[in-house]
Formats: sequence, C-alpha cells, structure tokens
Amino acid sequence: DTAVSQTPKYLVTQMGNDKSIKCEQNLGHDTMYWYKQDSKKFLKIMFSYNNKELIINETVPNRFSPKSPDKAHLNLHINSLELGDSAVYFCASSFFVDRNSPLHFGNGTRLTVT
Amino acid sequence: GQNIDQPTEMTATEGAIVQINCTYQTSGFNGLFWYQQHAGEAPTFLSYNVLDGLEEKGRFSSFLSRSKGYSYLLLKELQMKDSASYLCAVVDSNYQLIWGAGTKLIIKP
Repeated sequence: DTAVSQTPKYLVTQMGNDKSIKCEQNLGHDTMYWYKQDSKKFLKIMFSYNNKELIINETVPNRFSPKSPDKAHLNLHINSLELGDSAVYFCASSFFVDRNSPLHFGNGTRLTVT
Repeated sequence: GQNIDQPTEMTATEGAIVQINCTYQTSGFNGLFWYQQHAGEAPTFLSYNVLDGLEEKGRFSSFLSRSKGYSYLLLKELQMKDSASYLCAVVDSNYQLIWGAGTKLIIKP
C-alpha cells in the first residue's frame, strides 16, 4: 500500500525517558514533516525536511531532534520527556516543488508521558 | 499575527446540509485547504481553493472569497460517517500552512 506509516501507534513512558518515533513514506514525496496535535486539536508544525535537509524548524525545545536518513524517512527522537510532551504526533509528506500539494499524514503516534 | 477562525462545534441531522465557515487573517495568501479528521485518525485532504468561487466534489463543496478572507465547506446529504472534525488551513506568503483548530461536526439520526 502506498502510504505514510509511522510507528509506534501508542507510546506510554515515564518522565525523563528518551524515545523515538519512526516515519516512512513510499509516495515518492520529497518533503516530510512532523506535527504535534495537542488536546485542543491544534496542529502545530515542528519540523520539515526537503530531500533530507531541514527547511522548517519551529520553536521546539532542543530535546526534540529529527533525523532524515533519506527522503523517504523522517524520525523523531525526544530526550528527557516531560508531561507537556503528551500529545499526538503526526508525520506527513508532500511534494515541495508544488507548494500547494496536499499533505498526506501518517496515522499518528499517541504519546503519553506519566 | 496570523489567525484562522472556525466554529468549535456544529450539530446537524442526517440527510441535511451543513456549512462550516472559516475566516482567516494571514500574511499573504497562496491557497486554502480543507481536511477531514475522524476521531483518533489522521487528517485527510478534502479540497483546495486558490481562486474565488465554488469547487464542487461530490457531496462536498468548498467556497473561497479572498477579498473577505473567508471560506466555507458545504456538506450535502449528510451521512453518519461525516461525523468528524473539519480543519481549515491557509498557505501564507512563505508557503507555510497555518491551521485552524478545526470544527467538530456531530451528525444526529
């Protein structure tokens, strides 16, 4: 199936731990994103990579570090997790050359920090 | 600042028509998207408008007025599966997506 897939779907962990979320897309897109959706349902852009290069880096604590080994993968590593990091994290992808191409989202990772 | 306004929640009856409004104030405008998001799922693309007017796609239509900073999503012949949140997102002058908080649509039998 052509899609954006991210793992894990659920992640429950304790404060202070380090965790990673993986994302892969097989749509041939050249741009990938990480979004955070909080309890109020706002989607906030965190990072965007185009062909493995960082192009958007919003005001996000440096405990969050994205890594793009190739244009089909964008992983998110989070150090020293805090309660406020609890949210749903969505990976997405699109075509950069067509700036108005729609985003294709993964199914989300629901992170709960206790 | 940049701002997208949508109603928080709307209720409609199965088989009816509902209009979800979105107003925006952004630094520039390069298009407007509507996405649908079912509870616990990912947002999925519904429509894109960059020129004024109405775009129709089956039971769903989207309208844009750039001069008024206004769009609406029109859903006809509502079905129970249309219960979801509907997100409005504007592409600004830097081609960044500015998202609204979404409108939760509840469909009653």
